[in-house]
Amino acid sequence: AQSVTQPDIHITVSEGASLELRCNYSYGATPYLFWYVQSPGQGLQLLLKYFSGDTLVQGIKGFEAEFKRSQSSFNLRKPSVHWSDAAEYFCAVAGRGSQGNLIFGKGTKLSVKP
Amino acid sequence: DAEITQSPRHKITETGRQVTLACHQTWNHNNMFWYRQDLGHGLRLIHYSYGVQDTNKGEVSDGYSVSRSNTEDLPLTLESAASSQTSVYFCASSDTRATGELFFGEGSRLTVL
Repeated sequence: AQSVTQPDIHITVSEGASLELRCNYSYGATPYLFWYVQSPGQGLQLLLKYFSGDTLVQGIKGFEAEFKRSQSSFNLRKPSVHWSDAAEYFCAVAGRGSQGNLIFGKGTKLSVKP
Repeated sequence: DAEITQSPRHKITETGRQVTLACHQTWNHNNMFWYRQDLGHGLRLIHYSYGVQDTNKGEVSDGYSVSRSNTEDLPLTLESAASSQTSVYFCASSDTRATGELFFGEGSRLTVL
């Protein structure tokens, strides 16, 4: 079955520290991969996406993610976290041609310590 | 600017009542989706539509219905609200030509007492 696993429910990092949020997926073929961010009381906003090509993708707000086919992973990273990055982060997958029918992970809540 | 708007943003209702949540998008997207978000479950797909007169069931469609009479709107109806349907509901849309990127509304928080 197609699924997305985000192993960490809640992560706390200090401001200025580096960040890595994990995402593993189970899919029959190489899917499209996404990271979305949700600030409190808001809808989800796309951070970055992977379709093909370079396995290291850059997104907004200084985030990047690396697709590793051998590990079925798409981890999100940021070298230096800012207090405004505190939010919930969702990894998602979609089949090629799925027209937006995404499967989401359960999310990782990020807290940032001053 | 194009956008996707949901109404109402907050609603409290009683068990057994019919409730309709509105979703309106000005992106001119063919594809529209309804998700519910619950603690510990992330986002789960309720219904989706790939165009006018097209509707499809998602993972958690029981107790919900949608209709698509035009490109801009996909209202979500709870025929007889249940306490288990207390949740935050998100509408989203995507472009057929794009590769899956969803644009989300700000959500509707529904409480069923």
